[in-house]
Amino acid sequence: AQKVTQAQTEISVVEKEDVTLDCVYETRDTTYYLFWYKQPPSGELVFLIRRNSFDEQNEISGRYSWNFQKSTSSFNFTITASQVVDSAVYFCALSEFTGGGADGLTFGKGTHLIIQP
Amino acid sequence: AAGVIQSPRHLIKEKRETATLKCYPIPRHDTVYWYQQGPGQDPQFLISFYEKMQSDKGSIPDRFSAQQFSDYHSELNMSSLELGDSALYFCASSKTGGTAKNIQYFGAGTRLSVL
Repeated sequence: AQKVTQAQTEISVVEKEDVTLDCVYETRDTTYYLFWYKQPPSGELVFLIRRNSFDEQNEISGRYSWNFQKSTSSFNFTITASQVVDSAVYFCALSEFTGGGADGLTFGKGTHLIIQP
Repeated sequence: AAGVIQSPRHLIKEKRETATLKCYPIPRHDTVYWYQQGPGQDPQFLISFYEKMQSDKGSIPDRFSAQQFSDYHSELNMSSLELGDSALYFCASSKTGGTAKNIQYFGAGTRLSVL
């Protein structure tokens, strides 16, 4: 069975601080996908990033960066110089990697990030 | 760019009534997924369809059914509604080829309230 753990229920920082959201996963599959989604107060789920299990290269996109470490089953997300607009619930998710590609996502419980001005 | 379209955005029903939610995937996406998100909860996967065939099944109650039509849109049918069915229902779509392969893009959701 798959499991995603986001131990930080809520994080509050002051604007311009850096913040890291932790994600630890469990799976018996040797190939899988990892994702991060953002859910702002308006409620929609916004795709941020997807990584394949065989690609451990870290990624940077503007103020966002992701650190994937297979050895510790972690896929952490860092926001540099946080802004008030980053306030949202962030979900880490996992899915199997199959040819059909229609496997459902297993989400973590989410981390509520509050950026104070 | 076109996104996933869900209708209606809001729905209010009484207990034991039925509801139908609709989802129109991003053009050229061949896979749709349904999720249920209760208040303060993470989204829970219900069911998915690839090329109009059921592909994966999650925690979908027997009272719920879904299908994908020839134009790739999907409908989630919910019968004998219970108070606990009140939630935000998301549809997502993906495609099985290209660089964005298997990335699930979500619609804005349908908020169902059962009174």
